[in-house]
Amino acid sequence: EVQLVESGGGLVQPGGSLRLSCAASGLTFSTYWMHWVRQAPGKGLVWVSRIKINGGITDYADSVKGRFTISRDNAQNTLYLQMNSLRAEDTAVYYCATSGSHRLDDWGQGTLVTVSP
Amino acid sequence: QSALTQPPSASGSPGQSVTISCTGTSSDVGGYNYVSWYQQHPGKAPKLLIYEVNKRPSGVPDRFSGSKSGNTASLTISGLQAEDEADYYCYSYAGSNKFYVFGTGTKVTVL
Repeated sequence: EVQLVESGGGLVQPGGSLRLSCAASGLTFSTYWMHWVRQAPGKGLVWVSRIKINGGITDYADSVKGRFTISRDNAQNTLYLQMNSLRAEDTAVYYCATSGSHRLDDWGQGTLVTVSP
Repeated sequence: QSALTQPPSASGSPGQSVTISCTGTSSDVGGYNYVSWYQQHPGKAPKLLIYEVNKRPSGVPDRFSGSKSGNTASLTISGLQAEDEADYYCYSYAGSNKFYVFGTGTKVTVL
């Protein structure tokens, strides 16, 4: 059974930084593209970023480009999202997900990031 | 990246059918057969229901079906059940500049 467990969320001040992790098990992590998706409280899903199986390609939504960095450690079966220059509008639950052919197959339970003074 | 347009709500009685639309543009929904649909219960992670417009992952009941015409994709839930009450989101590949876009979400209520 595929398990994705996000961690690293919490309360951070505007302008601050946070690094999210997503630990994967039950799958051959190194063969999957991985994505981050976020959901602001009471709002819809928003795609954030993706990374290729070997980390050689990374893509971002315009709203986070230049502030967020996605990375992965295939030896540790872990996905990361480094978030810098955080804004109030980045407040959301952040989900990691495995990707197959432009779809999101398995999702973690999410980790809440709150950006507030 | 503008969200795909879905109706905010839809409803039906048990056993009835409900269809949710997802309208985009020729740069996303209309340009690729990479539309997928997700179900999200309150406080839970989304779950993949349909991918590549009309394919179901193993374990998803055949009551859920997908289709597409032009720039609009649709999800139909047949034989509505109480456990189908949830939020539903469409999702489309949008090319090598915009990458991916979700729909605005539809809350389905079982009356």
